[in-house]
Amino acid sequence: QKEVEQDPGPLSVPEGAIVSLNCTYSNSAFQYFMWYRQYSRKGPELLMYTYSSGNKEDGRFTAQVDKSSKYISLFIRDSQPSDSATYLCAMKGTGRRALTFGSGTRLQVQP
Amino acid sequence: DTAVSQTPKYLVTQMGNDKSIKCEQNLGHDTMYWYKQDSKKFLKIMFSYNNKELIINETVPNRFSPKSPDKAHLNLHINSLELGDSAVYFCASSPRTSGDNEQFFGPGTRLTVL
Repeated sequence: QKEVEQDPGPLSVPEGAIVSLNCTYSNSAFQYFMWYRQYSRKGPELLMYTYSSGNKEDGRFTAQVDKSSKYISLFIRDSQPSDSATYLCAMKGTGRRALTFGSGTRLQVQP
Repeated sequence: DTAVSQTPKYLVTQMGNDKSIKCEQNLGHDTMYWYKQDSKKFLKIMFSYNNKELIINETVPNRFSPKSPDKAHLNLHINSLELGDSAVYFCASSPRTSGDNEQFFGPGTRLTVL
């Protein structure tokens, strides 16, 4: 079993829809949670970064962490065609330098 | 432009050759990384350097050798290339202030071994 599981998609939604992207994980040592967006043939770009459980909002994006369920989510409101990309969740424990990534969910927002 | 940059962007080579990929960051970060992304988009850490010192060395064949001449540069040299080395290699850096939690990625080097 992988440490971080993420549904690969593709997830196809109409423009304006609310999108929910999710990851589950097995390592209870993870404390820091990130979401990256990766456009085709580009490097991952950091979108959201949260510590421990709770919510964080930034514009149309909301990140949620539920450590008791080992489950994290990224919500995108009023989705736009420019949001079409692969979304990667990533996690890290205290004292460990490297990120552990999910395999990414490909999102397509149809105009 | 402040960023993490990598050269070359594309690298096509024959099995058995030796090649290098270069990475530079002008963000003033202390820690740099090499990640490998396979055809299924799975990103995996290979190496990490903090201020020119190797701090992470995952289970990577010793044909791969990182070198950090200074804290702004981290290069990756690969000997005796194999078909399975074909992937996209990403360099990343992070500031000490974020506890290495916020990592910023370069554009990637797409390596194809024929």
